[in-house]
Amino acid sequence: AQTVTQSQPEMSVQEAETVTLSCTYDTSESNYYLFWYKQPPSRQMILVIRQEAYKQQNATENRFSVNFQKAAKSFSLKISDSQLGDTAMYFCAFMKHAYSGGSNYKLTFGKGTLLTVNP
Amino acid sequence: GAGVSQSPRYKVAKRGQDVALRCDPISGHVSLFWYQQALGQGPEFLTYFQNEAQLDKSGLPSDRFFAERPEGSVSTLKIQRTQQEDSAVYLCASSWGQGPNQPQHFGDGTRLSIL
Repeated sequence: AQTVTQSQPEMSVQEAETVTLSCTYDTSESNYYLFWYKQPPSRQMILVIRQEAYKQQNATENRFSVNFQKAAKSFSLKISDSQLGDTAMYFCAFMKHAYSGGSNYKLTFGKGTLLTVNP
Repeated sequence: GAGVSQSPRYKVAKRGQDVALRCDPISGHVSLFWYQQALGQGPEFLTYFQNEAQLDKSGLPSDRFFAERPEGSVSTLKIQRTQQEDSAVYLCASSWGQGPNQPQHFGDGTRLSIL
C-alpha cells in the first residue's frame, strides 16, 4: 500500500514571497503519478500540478513548480510570488500507473498543509 | 451546472438513522469516485465507478456503506445505521475517462454530522 506524508501541518508566507511545501511518499511501485491539490475554505478540491514519475523534468504551472526527487521519494511544491488567493489547504496525492494492476485510478492523499498568505 | 454537484451540502442525523448522499457528475464523465474526509485529514478513497459498474469498493469501511450508479450518471452513497465515526465530509469526483491524464473534478462535498 502507498502512504503519503506531509510533515508541515501549517505554514505561512508573506504576499509576493516564495514558499515550499514538503511531501514524501512510500511505494514499491516503479511507475506512478504525483499530484498537488488545493482545497480552499469552500471545500472544492482543485488540481494544482501533476508529475509523472518516469519523467525526470520537474513539472511547472505558472507560479507553481515541483521538486521531484524519485530516489528520495520526495515531491515538494514551490509557490512563487504568493498571492492572498493561494491561502488554502494543500494536499499531496499519489496514483498508481495504469498498468500496475489493482485499483489504478484512486488517489491516496496526505493529511495536508494549511498555507496562509499574509498581506 | 458545469461542475460536480453534491447534495445536500450539510446533513445532520441521529445515530442509527440511514442517510443518502447524492452526486451529480459532470455530464459525460465516465468515471466517478467517492472519498471520505475526516476532520483535519486528507480524503480517503471509498469506491470507484466506471459508468454503472462499481469496479472498486475496497475503501468502503463496513457493510453499512453502499454506493450505486444505476444509469451511469448520478450516484448515491448510502450509509445505514449511522455511527458517530461516520461524521465526515463526503467528496465526489468525476473524470471524463480513466487514469491520471483525466483529472478528477471534485464537488463541494456533503458534511455529515452524526449526533
